[in-house]
Amino acid sequence: GESVGLHLPTLSVQEGDNSIINCAYSNSASDYFIWYKQESGKGPQFIIDIRSNMDKRQGQRVTVLLNKTVKHLSLQIAATQPGDSAVYFCAESEKTGANSKLTFGKGITLSVRP
Amino acid sequence: DAGITQSPRYKITETGRQVTLMCHQTWSHSYMFWYRQDLGHGLRLIYYSAAADITDKGEVPDGYVVSRSKTENFPLTLESATRSQTSVYFCATRVGAETQYFGPGTRLLVL
Repeated sequence: GESVGLHLPTLSVQEGDNSIINCAYSNSASDYFIWYKQESGKGPQFIIDIRSNMDKRQGQRVTVLLNKTVKHLSLQIAATQPGDSAVYFCAESEKTGANSKLTFGKGITLSVRP
Repeated sequence: DAGITQSPRYKITETGRQVTLMCHQTWSHSYMFWYRQDLGHGLRLIYYSAAADITDKGEVPDGYVVSRSKTENFPLTLESATRSQTSVYFCATRVGAETQYFGPGTRLLVL
């Protein structure tokens, strides 16, 4: 995940534009990845996930891309809306099944300009 | 976070006091987790539980105790609260092999 110190980096986008949020991971053995959205004062909310045997997965208005060669994950949000303003963070897991634990990045703030 | 409740949602306590944070799931998921979230650190795993009466340490377990007498409940106790334990605490359950769903959080301030 991203290393950002005390302040999260911010991505500012215009309402209606597409957003791309990036995440770098370091563990080449990670085989499962997940994106969460966290609104102010709330718990993280599952958005979309992807396994390492895929390089792209689409959901409703969101797409996750995985580039294992450079250990990079991205979340694309189409037609960004004010309700998309939140902190987004990625998580990765090396093992599936019983011993699976998620390692979380620190997050990126998405700010949508009206 | 539907199906996972945490209580209290906000708590102010003093150094040295014992505090218990509650987590309840309306499902019957085997795995449950406790995280703390701090600026600059993201979510860090405190303890997790694979089933009733089975618990294990995560990344930052010191100063915390957990129990799991029933599948649906996973309380987290700070035996003697310290200022460094001021944080937002999230409980989560796991659906399937990896996907975790989170509760709304408890904001704890230790004075």
